Amino acid sequence: AQTIHQWPVAEIKAVGSPLSLGCTIKGKSSPNLYWYWQATGGTLQQLFYSITVGQVESVVQLNLSASRPKDDQFILSTEKLLLSHSGFYLCAWLSNERLFFGHGTKLSVL
Amino acid sequence: GDKVKQSPSALSLQEGTNSALRCNFSIAATTVQWFLQNPRGSLINLFYLVPGTKENGRLKSAFDSKESYSTLHIRDAQLEDSGTYFCAADPGTGSNRLTFGKGTKFSLIP
Repeated sequence: AQTIHQWPVAEIKAVGSPLSLGCTIKGKSSPNLYWYWQATGGTLQQLFYSITVGQVESVVQLNLSASRPKDDQFILSTEKLLLSHSGFYLCAWLSNERLFFGHGTKLSVL
Repeated sequence: GDKVKQSPSALSLQEGTNSALRCNFSIAATTVQWFLQNPRGSLINLFYLVPGTKENGRLKSAFDSKESYSTLHIRDAQLEDSGTYFCAADPGTGSNRLTFGKGTKFSLIP
């Protein structure tokens, strides 16, 4: 069975500080991986996707970057957080054309 | 305007009643997925649809690509059905660029 782990569960960070969010998927080889962002009470906005190690496509940047350092790992980061980065970040993977999500990371930027 | 328009935006019903949620697409969707985001924030994939109908327990969903809409019917609603329902449209093969609606917030009155 496939499992997805996101870390951390929640973060409170200061404006201007760096950020790194992670996602690891187990039980699936070479998965398509995605990062989504959701403002409080809002819809889901796709940020990045990756179909293989070392390859990342940007959909909407929002002053964030993503990397795929290993087959089972997807990282979202920025060197300088903005207030507008607050929200809920979800990692997802594709299985038989269906999208499945991790439990998400709640980010509060103060 | 919104490429994926969900209606209603919110719904409050008594337990045991039936309801229908709808998505209208202004993009040429080839497949549709429905998700439930529970009160803890986790997103559950309910359906993946090509044009046609699927049923799972008390849930039934239909997708009409020619008329550009999809519906989700909930029969005999229970408290665990509470949350926000999202539909997402894929304009091509694969789910690298899913477009989400703004969601229908579904709450039950015991």
